[in-house]
Amino acid sequence: DAGVTQSPTHLIKTRGQQVTLRCSPKSGHDTVSWYQQALGQGPQFIFQYYEEEERQRGNFPDRFSGHQFPNYSSELNVNALLLGDSALYLCASSLATGEAFFGQGTRLTVV
Amino acid sequence: TQLLEQSPQFLSIQEGENLTVYCNSSSVFSSLQWYRQEPGEGPVLLVTVVTGGEVKKLKRLTFQFGDARKDSSLHITAAQPGDTGLYLCAGVTNAGKSTFGDGTTLTVKP
Repeated sequence: DAGVTQSPTHLIKTRGQQVTLRCSPKSGHDTVSWYQQALGQGPQFIFQYYEEEERQRGNFPDRFSGHQFPNYSSELNVNALLLGDSALYLCASSLATGEAFFGQGTRLTVV
Repeated sequence: TQLLEQSPQFLSIQEGENLTVYCNSSSVFSSLQWYRQEPGEGPVLLVTVVTGGEVKKLKRLTFQFGDARKDSSLHITAAQPGDTGLYLCAGVTNAGKSTFGDGTTLTVKP
């Protein structure tokens, strides 16, 4: 079991660009949550996907959007990147509201 | 907005010492989780506490959930260098949404 895998591991983008981050959940998990972790802070909840629909959303602007595919994998899209979007983006998968397992994250740097 | 405050923010101790870190909130959660995160990695779940007043032990780690389910503590006995890391608490709502604190960065020096 590969656990939760995220790609890419590191990414550098320019202000104004768009980025897509990918997450494959742990085998058997149907729920995927995305978090943003800025340096020196705890993870901040962005949104959660279940059955291909956004089930919950945190306090993030509409520039942050996502998608879940029939195989439960998920994408996080961020449009019109700002310098402040630089962070570690974490994906966590779970079965319904069970224990969440985190991936290693994608380190996004916006320059 | 549900907020979790963790203290202290940074803690540096010698191997063999004991320590306690705290997680406090004005909100009630259905459960509270503690995670440990190492540089370049995602958080790893250590424990989930559900019942007010609950105490759970994991080897040298003791976790306690406050009676009102608003606060929690993590006590480490005889800390070792391998305990070094960022310790995060997260309150979980009935809907399964997790709210994280900003963590306590623990350094255990040999």
